[in-house]
Amino acid sequence: DGGITQSPKYLFRKEGQNVTLSCEQNLNHDAMYWYRQDPGQGLRLIYYSQIVNDFQKGDIAEGYSVSREKKESFPLTVTSAQKNPTAFYLCASTRQEGYGYTFGSGTRLTVV
Amino acid sequence: AQSVTQLGSHVSVSEGALVLLRCNYSSSVPPYLFWYVQYPNQGLQLLLKYTSAATLVKGINGFEAEFKKSETSFHLTKPSAHMRDAAEYFCAVSDPGGGNKLTFGTGTQLKVEL
Repeated sequence: DGGITQSPKYLFRKEGQNVTLSCEQNLNHDAMYWYRQDPGQGLRLIYYSQIVNDFQKGDIAEGYSVSREKKESFPLTVTSAQKNPTAFYLCASTRQEGYGYTFGSGTRLTVV
Repeated sequence: AQSVTQLGSHVSVSEGALVLLRCNYSSSVPPYLFWYVQYPNQGLQLLLKYTSAATLVKGINGFEAEFKKSETSFHLTKPSAHMRDAAEYFCAVSDPGGGNKLTFGTGTQLKVEL
């Protein structure tokens, strides 16, 4: 079955470390998205990519970076510049406008 | 910038009672509208969507929503709540031609009591 796989499910980061969250899809979707979820704040867009080798900043891109070298993959790096990285991170993809997103099961990142 | 408002961060209903979750949007053009459900520590699952066809949209698990342009609303309803409906629900909006970016509401936690 097609879907989106996020890994790892849980991730712990020390202060000053960069960590990379994986997102892989086999849906043949062109567009992919990263959202951050905090309690009571809904989902906020970090980065998105509508085509391979191209991506745009979302509303809260500071302290994050992405790449889109393959259609199937859209990894997110949380850098040491992100001062409050503890959150639930969700990756999503879609094939066209108005179709709705398919979401991965998320990665919970905790700073220790 | 468009926005979505979900009235009530927590809603509690009895099993078998009507479920009504409210969503209002601000958009200068008729938008695409979506409702998603999220169970604890999981991703979001699409319940239903409005994309300028019929104004009454039926989704999965017995949910439906009605697009009312005059009220800029897209409220989610279910005639009879079940225990398995307890979850968090998100309304989302995107503008046609806007790159398919979804703006999400802050969510409504639905509790179903016996």
